[in-house]
Amino acid sequence: ETGVTQTPRHLVMGMTNKKSLKCEQHLGHNAMYWYKQSAKKPLELMFVYSLEERVENNSVPSRFSPECPNSSHLFLHLHTLQPEDSALYLCASSQVYSGTGGRTGANVLTFGAGSRLTVL
Amino acid sequence: AQSVTQLGSHVSVSEGALVLLRCNYSSSVPPYLFWYVQYPNQGLQLLLKYTTGATLVKGINGFEAEFKKSETSFHLTKPSAHMSDAAEYFCAVSEPQSFGNEKLTFGTGTRLTIIP
Repeated sequence: ETGVTQTPRHLVMGMTNKKSLKCEQHLGHNAMYWYKQSAKKPLELMFVYSLEERVENNSVPSRFSPECPNSSHLFLHLHTLQPEDSALYLCASSQVYSGTGGRTGANVLTFGAGSRLTVL
Repeated sequence: AQSVTQLGSHVSVSEGALVLLRCNYSSSVPPYLFWYVQYPNQGLQLLLKYTTGATLVKGINGFEAEFKKSETSFHLTKPSAHMSDAAEYFCAVSEPQSFGNEKLTFGTGTRLTIIP
């Protein structure tokens, strides 16, 4: 396996279900991300794990819960979702550098193919 | 706060014609700018990026983009469209964060259709 792998590629769930999305990166990167892609909207950054620090978008509902057990694996736990949560969920990874000052270079993300989620 | 505006959610060009996808940005710091492409049923893939230096940046698949500070633009071009260029294209700008990362802000995307 190379790059960023996401499973499952498609998921249909009811509003009362609990499911998880999985992401694995084989690039040796030290940062991982969850993005939500909805039609006609900009990609929405949901969560970041970078340099062992978790950063999140405060507008993400608590029914989405991330987990990053190590630098290669990232999960998104889903529970009691709403139909408006139906979207493509993209995982990405990158190599980031902690500088003492100034910018540390462009953050180039490598994306997985996404998990298409449908909430009934 | 930074932002990206992509003019035209859908662009259609004939095969062999010039491709021009427009992107304007706003940023409070010197911008890092990116174009990503998303083919059907795939994730986003980096086409090209600008950080510093030469303002005309060349990317993969014959695409290039020019950073114009005075116009706050970073338009994507390709001289001759190919059927395989049909995809969705995203412009993005990044700004530094306190934890040593750069946060990307994406535009809403432009779907490019190639007419045979």
